Amino acid sequence: EADIYQTPRYLVIGTGKKITLECSQTMGHDKMYWYQQDPGMELHLIHYSYGVNSTEKGDLSSESTVSRIRTEHFPLTLESARPSHTSQYLCASSGGIGGGGSDTQYFGPGTRLTVL
Amino acid sequence: AQTVTQSQPEMSVQEAETVTLSCTYDTSESNYYLFWYKQPPSRQMILVIRQEAYKQQNATENRFSVNFQKAAKSFSLKISDSQLGDTAMYFCAFMKRSGTYKYIFGTGTRLKVLA
Repeated sequence: EADIYQTPRYLVIGTGKKITLECSQTMGHDKMYWYQQDPGMELHLIHYSYGVNSTEKGDLSSESTVSRIRTEHFPLTLESARPSHTSQYLCASSGGIGGGGSDTQYFGPGTRLTVL
Repeated sequence: AQTVTQSQPEMSVQEAETVTLSCTYDTSESNYYLFWYKQPPSRQMILVIRQEAYKQQNATENRFSVNFQKAAKSFSLKISDSQLGDTAMYFCAFMKRSGTYKYIFGTGTRLKVLA
């Protein structure tokens, strides 16, 4: 199992609330990613980062925002959650000192978000 | 733009049998990586096997092997001696060797291994 962690694993929240999904990795990877995945469906990249203070939007438009202040930490924030944000959010990392090369992504266990 | 196609949404196989999952891709790149990832029900996504496009030899990892046909842009996964623990979603992914480190994922194949 890869050393990449996500909290919380499950979150049920009401509309309009602000939420932050946490992602941390201890592999020293410089690249990190956020994906959105509906159950049993494909993954869509919503944000990625190539290093500290570097963030980019992914291929799927998302109302969420991210930050990368520390190498190991890549939180995702929704300022005002809506039912359309209900999904699973997967964090991944690659590259750097942790090995595996920059090509192989290691995934966290995911956060399953439900917005009522 | 690159695309990855997995044409088999669902498959099933008897325990101990062999199954092949298909993946085709479209790219104008000559150097790239291809991957198969496994996502068991409610569990973490893990790498199954990885192939570098410039290597002609097909990658193998224990019971898992690929048939990489670069000219045909095909990258199928063969699972031998299927086990109940192989039940999962399997995703094929493509990444250019140069430039961004972003993956292009296929839509996945749900594999069920039957006892």
